[in-house]
Amino acid sequence: EAGVVQSPRYKIIEKKQPVAFWCNPISGHNTLYWYRQNLGQGPELLIRYENEEAVDDSQLPKDRFSAERLKGVDSTLKIQPAELGDSAVYLCASSFALAGGSYEQYFGPGTRLTVT
Amino acid sequence: GNSVTQMEGPVTLSEEAFLTINCTYTATGYPSLFWYVQYPGEGLQLLLKATKADDKGSNKGFEATYRKETTSFHLEKGSVQVSDSAVYFCALILYNNNDMRFGAGTRLTVKP
Repeated sequence: EAGVVQSPRYKIIEKKQPVAFWCNPISGHNTLYWYRQNLGQGPELLIRYENEEAVDDSQLPKDRFSAERLKGVDSTLKIQPAELGDSAVYLCASSFALAGGSYEQYFGPGTRLTVT
Repeated sequence: GNSVTQMEGPVTLSEEAFLTINCTYTATGYPSLFWYVQYPGEGLQLLLKATKADDKGSNKGFEATYRKETTSFHLEKGSVQVSDSAVYFCALILYNNNDMRFGAGTRLTVKP
């Protein structure tokens, strides 16, 4: 079974430029998560989708970040314009979650973003 | 709020030494608890989990017991190997809530 796929693995851009990350979750997983992991810290949730619906985007900086999961499968996270402080690893995770439970998440390898 | 506190690293051990990484949690509900491991350049991998008090999660020689009375989920391994060198994250998720909270991570280096 294929795991969570992310691309690109690495991205270097200049500040004020746009950047996009792509994620394909594990087949059949209805819930998709985007996290940001700063150096030396644990992942912090940016947005969570259940199928096509963004059910928790409270930590997403909406002035510059956007995300979509149009068909309830793969997802794109975009930053426009990027700032120096956006340098981090962006992790995508997925799970198969039903109401009334708590489920482990499966992570992709991440995209390491460097903003210069 | 819901949060996880891990012992600060880095931790450096010799091969075959005993490992303990402390983890305590604060939760308004009744959480499930997890340990994830992150090898260099990779994403997080689930190492083990426990979903209720007194449950013991185990995998690859690692163990952790869900202690509700001390709100802890300490990770242990009796004899570490060089290949165990990685960053270890403790995490919780509340029942009926997919909001997973992570600790800051503990970097383990095992020397031959």
